[in-house]
Amino acid sequence: EPEVTQTPSHQVTQMGQEVILRCVPISNHLYFYWYRQILGQKVEFLVSFYNNEISEKSEIFDDQFSVERPDGSNFTLKIRSTKLEDSAMYFCASSALGRASGNTIYFGEGSWLTVV
Amino acid sequence: EDKVVQSPLSLVVHEGDTVTLNCSYEVTNFRSLLWYKQEKKAPTFLFMLTSSGIEKKSGRLSSILDKKELFSILNITATQTGDSAVYLCAEISNTGTASKLTFGTGTRLQVTL
Repeated sequence: EPEVTQTPSHQVTQMGQEVILRCVPISNHLYFYWYRQILGQKVEFLVSFYNNEISEKSEIFDDQFSVERPDGSNFTLKIRSTKLEDSAMYFCASSALGRASGNTIYFGEGSWLTVV
Repeated sequence: EDKVVQSPLSLVVHEGDTVTLNCSYEVTNFRSLLWYKQEKKAPTFLFMLTSSGIEKKSGRLSSILDKKELFSILNITATQTGDSAVYLCAEISNTGTASKLTFGTGTRLQVTL
């Protein structure tokens, strides 16, 4: 069964460092997402991406965050200058179609980011 | 702001019991409600509910949506230890182009022998 894959599974970084989290969405999907889950808290929407541009972003997704689809398969989340409060599990997700069809969103296994 | 509330927050049952998990929502432009199971990492998809009163079923799991009262329930019959997980409810609203999910805090289910 096709799946969303993410790398790395776990990364430890020092405060202030840049981090890039990578995702390979399901191959025929057109919509891509990043969510995060701080330990013990709910899963939160960060950003959605379609047709090589951001479709929607949350208040969490400030100027230190950026997303990119550098080639036909990868979808990346960059955090420019990490803060302690960025420590969380970051989930990449994808869907074949957008909200118009109420399409199912499939999640990757997550990248656990620890900022020290 | 869209809001999804799940109850109970946690639940411990014996294997073989039947459980009902609740999800209520306050959403401006509701589109669909989804249930996910989160064991260790990734939420895995269980059900998508768009129409009121139509039960969706998969094995021992079933779910139904009430759009008038703004809630959904997830039932698990004859629970097994493998059902132990956090069950997440999320709604998709009609905003933007893509499907943005708003999650509840989840119900942590523990099934004991």
